[in-house]
Amino acid sequence: DAMVIQNPRYQVTQFGKPVTLSCSQTLNHNVMYWYQQKSSQAPKLLFHYYDKDFNNEADTPDNFQSRRPNTSFCFLDIRSPGLGDAAMYLCATSRVYVPSDTQYFGPGTRLTVL
Amino acid sequence: AQTVTQSQPEMSVQEAETVTLSCTYDTSESDYYLFWYKQPPSRQMILVIRQEAYKQQNATENRFSVNFQKAAKSFSLKISDSQLGDAAMYFCATGAGSYQLTFGKGTKLSVIP
Repeated sequence: DAMVIQNPRYQVTQFGKPVTLSCSQTLNHNVMYWYQQKSSQAPKLLFHYYDKDFNNEADTPDNFQSRRPNTSFCFLDIRSPGLGDAAMYLCATSRVYVPSDTQYFGPGTRLTVL
Repeated sequence: AQTVTQSQPEMSVQEAETVTLSCTYDTSESDYYLFWYKQPPSRQMILVIRQEAYKQQNATENRFSVNFQKAAKSFSLKISDSQLGDAAMYFCATGAGSYQLTFGKGTKLSVIP
């Protein structure tokens, strides 16, 4: 089945130690998104790509970066994780950039910062 | 800009009964879409149902239906014949004008056997 895959599902890192989360998709969608979801909060958009055209939200911390080397893969890099970065990170895709288009989500990576 | 408010952080329903989850929204766009997404524990978020704002008819998908009140900016989700597999976080969201979805904070639904 076509899907969005995130690895790892659970990631533990130490305060200040860089970490990379990965996402892959078999849907061949043009758009990929990264969301941060903290407990009892709405998902918050961090980055999105249309193909390789990168966009970050104005309030995304500088500590976060992203890469999309090809259509199928996207990475989220957290350069120096702080305790406040502990969250679920969701990857999503959509075919195009229109508000009617369904977003397809991966299962998420739960990041713990010690 | 869009805002989405889900006023019920948690709800519960007896198996086989009906439950309604509330959502209100605000947008300055005339053309927009409304969504309910379901996020089961430790599983991915999936689309439950979608409503085009220009359509007066309420969307339905099997046991799931919406009550869309455009003037009141209300978009509630009704789940009929609730099943154990319906237990999840439910997020209301709106999409308008661009790529970005605006989500509510979610409602955690428990289904009691």
